Amino acid sequence: GAVVSQHPSRVICKSGTSVKIECRSLDFQATTMFWYRQFPKQSLMLMATSNEGSKATYEQGVEKDKFLINHASLTLSTLTVTSAHPEDSSFYICSASWGAYEQYFGPGTRLTVT
Amino acid sequence: TQLLEQSPQFLSIQEGENLTVYCNSSSVFSSLQWYRQEPGEGPVLLVTVVTGGEVKKLKRLTFQFGDARKDSSLHITAAQPGDTGLYLCAGAITGNTGKLIFGQGTTLQVKP
Repeated sequence: GAVVSQHPSRVICKSGTSVKIECRSLDFQATTMFWYRQFPKQSLMLMATSNEGSKATYEQGVEKDKFLINHASLTLSTLTVTSAHPEDSSFYICSASWGAYEQYFGPGTRLTVT
Repeated sequence: TQLLEQSPQFLSIQEGENLTVYCNSSSVFSSLQWYRQEPGEGPVLLVTVVTGGEVKKLKRLTFQFGDARKDSSLHITAAQPGDTGLYLCAGAITGNTGKLIFGQGTTLQVKP
């Protein structure tokens, strides 16, 4: 149980375009979803926390107008990287939780901006 | 700012050796999770410890939560190449709506 999917797994886009990443909880209803960014051989950096039906809470230093998060249902959250630039290239990972202690992570999305 | 100090950050050992990874903080956690991550994949939950002094075993892995719930350790006995990966500890702060504080991670390489 507690399976989280992410789509796409890899995406390459041109500078200035927008990219949407989907995160789905497949076998449970996620009251909260989290979006992380991870640089090579480093730990996870929390970008934002989203609860179904309400606005996401962004961590300090994360631009909310650049990283748009929508959590429209208890099983789906999306992260849209707007006007992407090469420095946005990274590994983006979502996780989902139903209020218990644990978070269950998706497989990640490798974004490359050319 | 809550911090979770994880050490060591890098560890390269031979197959069959034992190792211990530590996570320490000045903050009290309601629970602490250990995850393992392989390159290009998301972290996979290994265990959650909740009670101070709790010890959990998962085959050759032993997890311990400190009595004061401020620290934790992961001990691997007779490491195997399949144990290679990034190990992450993450603490849940009481009343923080599920947000986790992550350690810096430990990159483990087990050589055959």
